[in-house]
Amino acid sequence: NAGVTQTPKFQVLKTGQSMTLQCAQDMNHEYMSWYRQDPGMGLRLIHYSVGAGITDQGEVPNGYNVSRSTTEDFPLRLLSAAPSQTSVYFCASKGYQETQYFGPGTRLLVL
Amino acid sequence: GQQLNQSPQSMFIQEGEDVSMNCTSSSIFNTWLWYKQDPGEGPVLLIALYKAGELTSNGRLTAQFGITRKDSFLNISASIPSDVGIYFCAGPPPGTASKLTFGTGTRLQVTL
Repeated sequence: NAGVTQTPKFQVLKTGQSMTLQCAQDMNHEYMSWYRQDPGMGLRLIHYSVGAGITDQGEVPNGYNVSRSTTEDFPLRLLSAAPSQTSVYFCASKGYQETQYFGPGTRLLVL
Repeated sequence: GQQLNQSPQSMFIQEGEDVSMNCTSSSIFNTWLWYKQDPGEGPVLLIALYKAGELTSNGRLTAQFGITRKDSFLNISASIPSDVGIYFCAGPPPGTASKLTFGTGTRLQVTL
């Protein structure tokens, strides 16, 4: 099993550009989530999904969209990137137990 | 929103020393989780605690679920260089089953 995979690993955007961060898991987990990590602030929940077709907002959802058309994939979309969205983004998935498995992260710089 | 405060924020210790860190919340948690994040990687779960007063070990790591349910503690015995990283506490806030709130982290650096 590959676990949780994220692409790309690094990305540089200009303000106003759009992009999609990809996340996939092969563990058949129903729950998936996106976090952003900023220095000194830990990880903050952006959006999450409890199953295909179901998504909900987390702590910091503004500026981000998500969809969950399959169990395996949970892409995160930035419609109009802003410098405040410069961060490291982690995708995670969880089965029935509490363990959340995190991907390796995407480092995003918005100029 | 919910906030988990960790202390210390960072620490330098010598190899072989024991380490203690803690996490406090303004409200009750029913589950406490401790994660470690290596540089350039995502967090990895170390220990999960489900009951007030519970003491759980994972090798050289021991974590405790505070009696008040508003705090948790992590101890590392006989630290080694690979213990370097950031340690996060986390838990689902009351009324949420799967959403996690993370602490601000304790950065551990080990000197030889």
